[in-house]
Amino acid sequence: NAGVMQNPRHLVRRRGQEARLRCSPMKGHSHVYWYRQLPEEGLKFMVYLQKENIIDESGMPKERFSAEFPKEGPSILRIQQVVRGDSAAYFCASSITGGNTEAFFGQGTRLTVV
Amino acid sequence: SQELEQSPQSLIVQEGKNLTINCTSSKTLYGLYWYKQKYGEGLIFLMMLQKGGEEKSHEKITAKLDEKKQQSSLHITASQPSHAGIYLCGAGLPNAGNNRKLIWGLGTSLAVNP
Repeated sequence: NAGVMQNPRHLVRRRGQEARLRCSPMKGHSHVYWYRQLPEEGLKFMVYLQKENIIDESGMPKERFSAEFPKEGPSILRIQQVVRGDSAAYFCASSITGGNTEAFFGQGTRLTVV
Repeated sequence: SQELEQSPQSLIVQEGKNLTINCTSSKTLYGLYWYKQKYGEGLIFLMMLQKGGEEKSHEKITAKLDEKKQQSSLHITASQPSHAGIYLCGAGLPNAGNNRKLIWGLGTSLAVNP
């Protein structure tokens, strides 16, 4: 049973380009969460999705960022017109339910904007 | 200021020694999670505590949540080099809107010298 798979592991983008980060949850998990880890700031919640629905996107910047979790395929975190401040590690986690249960994390995508 | 304070920020111990990491909040926490992170990798779930006074152990690691649910400690007995890494605590806040909108400490970096 594969764990949470994120790809790519490392992504380099020039300012103004788009970044697409993918997350395949563990088999049987329908709840996906995205977090961002900035140096010196720790992990910050971004968005919580359940299949085809955004449950809570209160941690996601309102502009340039979007997330989806389609019926088929991985969850996608999309960052348009990237800026240097978007450079960070982006982690995805999944769980079976949305309650206080164990969430499994992927290895993260390290985005560098040059 | 950080909503979850972890101490110490970093720790170097000799193999075989015991150690404790603390995670403190000024607010009552709703679900307290301990994760371990190695550089360049994702977060590995260690333990989840929910009830005041709860204590859980796994192998040589014991986590406790105080009665007020504002402080948790992670204790490692007879440390080994394999325990090295960054230990992160995450917690939910009441009225956060969803159980996965966790707040996180900045982490405690642990090195174990053989």
